[in-house]
Amino acid sequence: QQQVKQSPQSLIVQKGGISIINCAYENTAFDYFPWYQQFPGKGPALLIAIRPDVSEKKEGRFTISFNKSAKQFSLHIMDSQPGDSATYFCAASYSNSGGSNYKLTFGKGTLLTVNP
Amino acid sequence: EAGVTQFPSHSVIEKGQTVTLRCDPISGHDNLYWYRRVMGKEIKFLLHFVKESKQDESGMPNNRFLAERTGGTYSTLKVQPAELEDSGVYFCASSHWPSGSRREQFFGPGTRLTVL
Repeated sequence: QQQVKQSPQSLIVQKGGISIINCAYENTAFDYFPWYQQFPGKGPALLIAIRPDVSEKKEGRFTISFNKSAKQFSLHIMDSQPGDSATYFCAASYSNSGGSNYKLTFGKGTLLTVNP
Repeated sequence: EAGVTQFPSHSVIEKGQTVTLRCDPISGHDNLYWYRRVMGKEIKFLLHFVKESKQDESGMPNNRFLAERTGGTYSTLKVQPAELEDSGVYFCASSHWPSGSRREQFFGPGTRLTVL
């Protein structure tokens, strides 16, 4: 049972365009939704994260939109650049084990290619 | 500040052999997680340590996998005997504990394990 579903699997965007990646979750206990960016040969690195008490969070060219009722959240990359080409993972977690275990449940990832 | 390091970066072994993966978390991070990504699948949680104590082993595939974190510093993940389906990229991540609002997990570059 996949608890976080991510789409699309791959995405090609022209430089300057908008990249949009979508995720949907099932577990309503999730209370933290990060997006990770991974370059080849590197580990995932936190890009931006949101909590369900806000509907949008923006950091530079990256924006998370969050729809709690629909159990969906998405990443928007404005003015996409070739350097943004990477694999993007959405994830979700909730607090358990007395507030110490925040294991992440990941989507399958989206390979983004930004053409120059 | 040094990031999370993992060793080796690649390992190729025969079915039935033993392999030990090592993770050195960021200094001062008492939370340590192991994850695995099998080709084409999502990154999946394996287990969680707080200091030297295992808090959650619910993601460990079977008893061929043994994780330790002696002294609460570095951690090892041993696979014995390795099977073909164990191939994948094994990630280690660390974070602050107690986490409070600091839930970001910092990932290492991963160990790519290939079982032939």
